[in-house]
Amino acid sequence: GIQVEQSPPDLILQEGANSTLRCNFSDSVNNLQWFHQNPWGQLINLFYIPSGTKQNGRLSATTVATERYSLLYISSSQTTDSGVYFCAVVNAGGTSYGKLTFGQGTILTVHP
Amino acid sequence: DGGITQSPKYLFRKEGQNVTLSCEQNLNHDAMYWYRQDPGQGLRLIYYSQIVNDFQKGDIAEGYSVSREKKESFPLTVTSAQKNPTAFYLCASSRTTAGVYEQYFGPGTRLTVT
Repeated sequence: GIQVEQSPPDLILQEGANSTLRCNFSDSVNNLQWFHQNPWGQLINLFYIPSGTKQNGRLSATTVATERYSLLYISSSQTTDSGVYFCAVVNAGGTSYGKLTFGQGTILTVHP
Repeated sequence: DGGITQSPKYLFRKEGQNVTLSCEQNLNHDAMYWYRQDPGQGLRLIYYSQIVNDFQKGDIAEGYSVSREKKESFPLTVTSAQKNPTAFYLCASSRTTAGVYEQYFGPGTRLTVT
């Protein structure tokens, strides 16, 4: 099946710093989503971005489908940005309809 | 308020007992999914359903069962045959029209079996 690798696994920042999270995937996709998992476990949808670039406030994301990677940018980080960031994809050639395959996540800690 | 609800938030059971987790959505989505998350891991697909009265196994279906009698509801039963049932369970839903499959997740149920 498709493989999803996220880097770095852990990231520690001071408030106000910028960061870039990376997601590499091993096959073509027709869905790519970025999520933030808060301390209570809720998965918050950040971006649905199978290709192209999107921005939402301090967050932006870019997916280069032909090169099989996606980047999530967080600018001017805040303590509330702390948590786990997941990238998840649906393999375009997969047999399980709509199945999201998740990466292992990036644990972000923002210190005041 | 549109969204996905899961109940209960926390569930404790003795080994050997079956337990059913509830998932309801009012987003009018056709597809619904169940995922399992273990500590420090990403999510893995247990079962999914594209339409009422139809569902398919995901990657880790052994020891689980589901039903889809209504569009809004997709309950998951964790049976005594599931070897390691303690985990965080998340339900999701999505549209299936026009090739757009963005999935939205419920708040999850933490199951502890002792």
